[in-house]
Amino acid sequence: NAGVTQTPKFQVLKTGQSMTLQCAQDMNHNSMYWYRQDPGMGLRLIYYSASEGTTDKGEVPNGYNVSRLNKREFSLRLESAAPSQTSVYFCALSRAYEQYFGPGTRLTVT
Amino acid sequence: KQEVTQIPAALSVPEGENLVLNCSFTDSAIYNLQWFRQDPGKGLTSLLLIQSSQREQTSGRLNASLDKSSGRSTLYIAASQPGDSATYLCAVSYGGATNKLIFGTGTLLAVQP
Repeated sequence: NAGVTQTPKFQVLKTGQSMTLQCAQDMNHNSMYWYRQDPGMGLRLIYYSASEGTTDKGEVPNGYNVSRLNKREFSLRLESAAPSQTSVYFCALSRAYEQYFGPGTRLTVT
Repeated sequence: KQEVTQIPAALSVPEGENLVLNCSFTDSAIYNLQWFRQDPGKGLTSLLLIQSSQREQTSGRLNASLDKSSGRSTLYIAASQPGDSATYLCAVSYGGATNKLIFGTGTLLAVQP
């Protein structure tokens, strides 16, 4: 996971609370992604960013917002958490079409 | 719909055995295919990336092959070791501006000492 860091590692929220998942890279690459991983569903793309200041929706964007204010950081925000958002969240970046993943954030919404 | 399937879902082998993990995809117009390893509670580690123009890639005891026309890839692990125990994920990209990956659900491998 060298090059991509995520904080926090674990988080428990109550329904309706908000939080921001942070992702940072030190590899100076443009494309960054947020995925969620659920048992039996594989990883699914939430949002991606092709470059600083640009973001686009992926397969499952509902309930999430993202921010790419600079090249290094790509954050994922849950405005009003729901139990269906209990998942493991991974940030990734793309270098020469190969994707590299962070260590993940395990989120539980009660 | 573009889908990726991995069979089997779980596999248990004795140490030293050679093994093959399978990945199939419904839309053969892929740009590339990537194999990952995931240890419990950890992130994904990239193992091999095969471009659509390539037939195979090798890294140490790992060899990945790609047959675009049949929509299949295999990951061959030679002389398996207990340290190879993990979930192996296959993902395909159709290129474009996104280069988003479509993942299979993985094969959980256990190598028994």
